[in-house]
Amino acid sequence: LAKTTQPISMDSYEGQEVNITCSHNNIATNDYITWYQQFPSQGPRFIIQGYKTKVTNEVASLFIPADRKSSTLSLPRVSLSDTAVYYCLVGDDRDSGAGSYQLTFGKGTKLSVIP
Amino acid sequence: GAGVSQSPSNKVTEKGKDVELRCDPISGHTALYWYRQRLGQGLEFLIYFQGNSAPDKSGLPSDRFSAERTGESVSTLTIQRTQQEDSAVYLCASSLKAGGADTQYFGPGTRLTVL
Repeated sequence: LAKTTQPISMDSYEGQEVNITCSHNNIATNDYITWYQQFPSQGPRFIIQGYKTKVTNEVASLFIPADRKSSTLSLPRVSLSDTAVYYCLVGDDRDSGAGSYQLTFGKGTKLSVIP
Repeated sequence: GAGVSQSPSNKVTEKGKDVELRCDPISGHTALYWYRQRLGQGLEFLIYFQGNSAPDKSGLPSDRFSAERTGESVSTLTIQRTQQEDSAVYLCASSLKAGGADTQYFGPGTRLTVL
């Protein structure tokens, strides 16, 4: 299993760009990297996913270096509503059919946005 | 359309009792996942179902835990002889197909408190 490591917490002022890095040294060839956001008392929700290079959507960018041993979630111009826990998930897209499957979430990074 | 729903939202039980937690996935989603989240901690993967394939139960913490799913619909997570250490939020997620590459949609969770 590809384990992930993230900073436990980060603080940022409103309007700044925030970069959260996740290490996944044992990532496998078939693994994708997905980031989720979780607010208190809610289940996580999908933010962005990538396999290699850079991916951008309306809320974030994901940077993945060539060796894929890490990835960086970039949140542009954060606001107070971005205060949440951010999880890095590494998992493959195989439909094994045999039911053999595991997912590894990181412990998450608690982002606090300060006014 | 409706998202993932879980019931009950809260459950308080006495040590030694059995509890059953229910998850209704999004219609048409073939994959269903159960996670445990202790207070202030990350997500701990428990088990995953894919269609009619046998699930991989190796993530379940002990033989007191079991889960079932009928076809591609409702799933139940049963904890027998509950212990205080079982107190946590139990999250269910579903995805269109199997794999860490597919977006998981999470339910609101069931908060279990074992007295």
